[in-house]
Amino acid sequence: EPEVTQTPSHQVTQMGQEVILRCVPISNHLYFYWYRQILGQKVEFLVSFYNNEISEKSEIFDDQFSVERPDGSNFTLKIRSTKLEDSAMYFCASRDRVVGELFFGEGSRLTVL
Amino acid sequence: AQSVTQLGSHVSVSEGALVLLRCNYSSSVPPYLFWYVQYPNQGLQLLLKYTTGATLVKGINGFEAEFKKSETSFHLTKPSAHMSDAAEYFCAVSDPYSSASKIIFGSGTRLSIRP
Repeated sequence: EPEVTQTPSHQVTQMGQEVILRCVPISNHLYFYWYRQILGQKVEFLVSFYNNEISEKSEIFDDQFSVERPDGSNFTLKIRSTKLEDSAMYFCASRDRVVGELFFGEGSRLTVL
Repeated sequence: AQSVTQLGSHVSVSEGALVLLRCNYSSSVPPYLFWYVQYPNQGLQLLLKYTTGATLVKGINGFEAEFKKSETSFHLTKPSAHMSDAAEYFCAVSDPYSSASKIIFGSGTRLSIRP
């Protein structure tokens, strides 16, 4: 069964360092998303991406964040200068139609020290 | 703006008992509604969804939910709890008329099963 894959599963970084989280969405999907879940809290929307541009972003997705689909298969989330409060589980998701359920990856746990 | 409210951050039931997880939504348009489950250290898995049509929807693992417009509710039920149902459950809503519509999640309900 097709699935969304994310790497790395866990990354530990120092505050101020750049981090890139990678995702491979399901191959025929056209809409891509990043969500964040701080430990013990709700799953929060960060950004949606379609047709090689951001469709919508939340107030969390500030200038420190960026997304890219560099090669038609990968979908990346970059955090330019990590802060302690960026420590969270980051989930990538994709869908094949404008509406419908999202298919989620297993997540990338980011720990900022 | 759309939102969902899950009543009860933690629900505990005995094995074999009825499971009822409550979700109320707020939406200016007829919404699409979802229940996702998250097992420890795993991603989010779709349990069931309501888009249009029949208001009682059945999902995986014996779960079902009923869309009640008059009550703006989408409660999740299962007749008989199993130990393997212990997990975090998230109710979610999306706007079917919005391009590339995101899904908005509730705060989650942790379900514990007592032997």
